[in-house]
Formats: sequence, structure tokens, C-alpha cells
Amino acid sequence: GAVVSQHPSWVICKSGTSVKIECRSLDFQATTMFWYRQFPKQSLMLMATSNEGSKATYEQGVEKDKFLINHASLTLSTLTVTSAHPEDSSFYICSARDLSGGTDTQYFGPGTRLTVL
Amino acid sequence: EDKVVQSPLSLVVHEGDTVTLNCSYEVTNFRSLLWYKQEKKAPTFLFMLTSSGIEKKSGRLSSILDKKELSSILNITATQTGDSAIYLCAVEGGSEKLVFGKGTKLTVNP
Repeated sequence: GAVVSQHPSWVICKSGTSVKIECRSLDFQATTMFWYRQFPKQSLMLMATSNEGSKATYEQGVEKDKFLINHASLTLSTLTVTSAHPEDSSFYICSARDLSGGTDTQYFGPGTRLTVL
Repeated sequence: EDKVVQSPLSLVVHEGDTVTLNCSYEVTNFRSLLWYKQEKKAPTFLFMLTSSGIEKKSGRLSSILDKKELSSILNITATQTGDSAIYLCAVEGGSEKLVFGKGTKLTVNP
């Protein structure tokens, strides 16, 4: 299947700092990528839809000024958690939508574990 | 509001058993239903179902969609300890966003 990478795989930062997470589709172009958040023992919650070349669409309750999303190319989307606080500690997962070859499938990155001290 | 409900939430079986996981949904303008397996990290894709009654199969895993009943099942035969994971069901509706269920945690004991 298609490969999606995320970097970093884990990060520990101090409260008040900003953290950038990258999501790359390695073998296909993705006009649409999605950012999810997962708390322990809970399901994935969609945060925002990232569209190449346009502004991201945020889900209700997600602060767009806190979670900045940039989708500058067809293979890269970034999520920046600004002024991170301990309650932002979570597992962040991206997915990229593969529409090549007549398919329409989302492939997930391996996730980024963020811990804010 | 789109909704996906999985059952059971948790299941413990012995190696060799067959298990059936359930997923029911309410979604506007259904497009597809997907099954994922999540171990320690992010989910890995198993199946995508769009048509009712057509079974998808991959080794010991199989899945089928019933659009009339708004549900899907995931079967795993001859379970192995490596099948232990959380199995997530997600549905894509008209918004093209995936809505996930809470998952079924499967534990296969030797």
C-alpha cells in the first residue's frame, strides 16, 4: 500500500513553545490530507482537512489559530501546535488521500506522540 | 450528525477461535466503509467496502457490507496472537471525511 510518513515520531516540549509536525505522502500525490488527534483509549478525532494550495477546514471546536496547518505541496502538510500546553499532549496522526489509479483510500502516517511539560 | 458504533468494545479469545466484529453506521450520503487495524501506532488499512453483499477477503480476514442494515462485519478466522489489536471502523459520507467508531479491542491469548 501507499506510504505516508510523519516527522517527528515523538516530541517533548516545554509549555508555551511551538511544535511543527510534518506529514508526507512518499509515493503518491495527495491534494487532501487529514489531521487527527487520539487520546489514550479513545478513537481518532478529526481535527482538520488540509487541501493543497488553500486554507484548511477545521472541525468544530478546533482552534485554527492554535493548530496551524499548511499544505504547501502535493506531498507535504504540516501541523504546528502553537503555544503548546500540557492539555495538548496527545497522539497526532495524519492521513493522505490517494486518488491515483481509480482508488480513493486514506493512508495513515505512523503518528507523532506530543508531550508538553 | 454522522455516527459509527462498533461492538463489542472488547473481546478476548483463544488462538484458533473465529471472531466477528460489528460496525453499524448512520451517515448522510454514504460513500464507503473502511476497516483499520491499530496496534501500537497509527491504523493500517484493511478493507474498503462500497457495495452491499460483496465480500472482501485477505487471508484469514474478510468483511462484508449490508447497506440495507447500515452495517458491516469483520471476520477473523483461526485467530493468532498477532491479531491482537484495536480494530477501527470508519465511514465516509458526503462530506468526504472519515467518521470513526470507538473501536473493538481484540485480545487473542495463546
